Amino acid sequence: NAGVTQTPKFRVLKTGQSMTLLCAQDMNHEYMYWYRQDPGMGLRLIHYSVGEGTTAKGEVPDGYNVSRLKKQNFLLGLESAAPSQTSVYFCASSYLLSYEQYFGPGTRLTVT
Amino acid sequence: LAKTTQPISMDSYEGQEVNITCSHNNIATNDYITWYQQFPSQGPRFIIQGYKTKVTNEVASLFIPADRKSSTLSLPRVSLSDTAVYYCLVAPTPGQKVTFGTGTKLQVIP
Repeated sequence: NAGVTQTPKFRVLKTGQSMTLLCAQDMNHEYMYWYRQDPGMGLRLIHYSVGEGTTAKGEVPDGYNVSRLKKQNFLLGLESAAPSQTSVYFCASSYLLSYEQYFGPGTRLTVT
Repeated sequence: LAKTTQPISMDSYEGQEVNITCSHNNIATNDYITWYQQFPSQGPRFIIQGYKTKVTNEVASLFIPADRKSSTLSLPRVSLSDTAVYYCLVAPTPGQKVTFGTGTKLQVIP
């Protein structure tokens, strides 16, 4: 099993550009999450999903959109990137009713 | 969401037992306590979870007093590879909002 994978690993955007980060998991997990981690900080929840076709806002949802059209994929979109969105983005997934989240390797995004 | 407070950093020598305490004074009745470990440039990794008393697995032990207002992660005989940031989380239900906080940076010294 590949576990949780994230695409791309690195990306540089100019202010105003858009992009989509892809998270894929092959563990048949119900729950999926997107976090961001700024230097020296803990992880902050952006959006999460408790099942295919459902999404919910986390702690810092502004400027991001998400979609979960397939159970194994969770997409994070930035419609108009801003320098404040420079961060490392982590995706995670977990089984139904489990506190144990499995994390991907992260995507390092720089917005200039 | 219950707020958690942890020491910012700790140092320990190799081979020692390390105890990291997390304070969660406003923990709710149905909240569970979970600990994660994060190495540089990696995503966090689940260590242990508990509700009350003591939980032990092959990696760590988690001690939770009766009032549940704090919890202590115990790492036996740490090695250099245990150098990482450790996060304490409190959440009522899986699949809900969780807050990682800033964690405790553990530095293991040879």
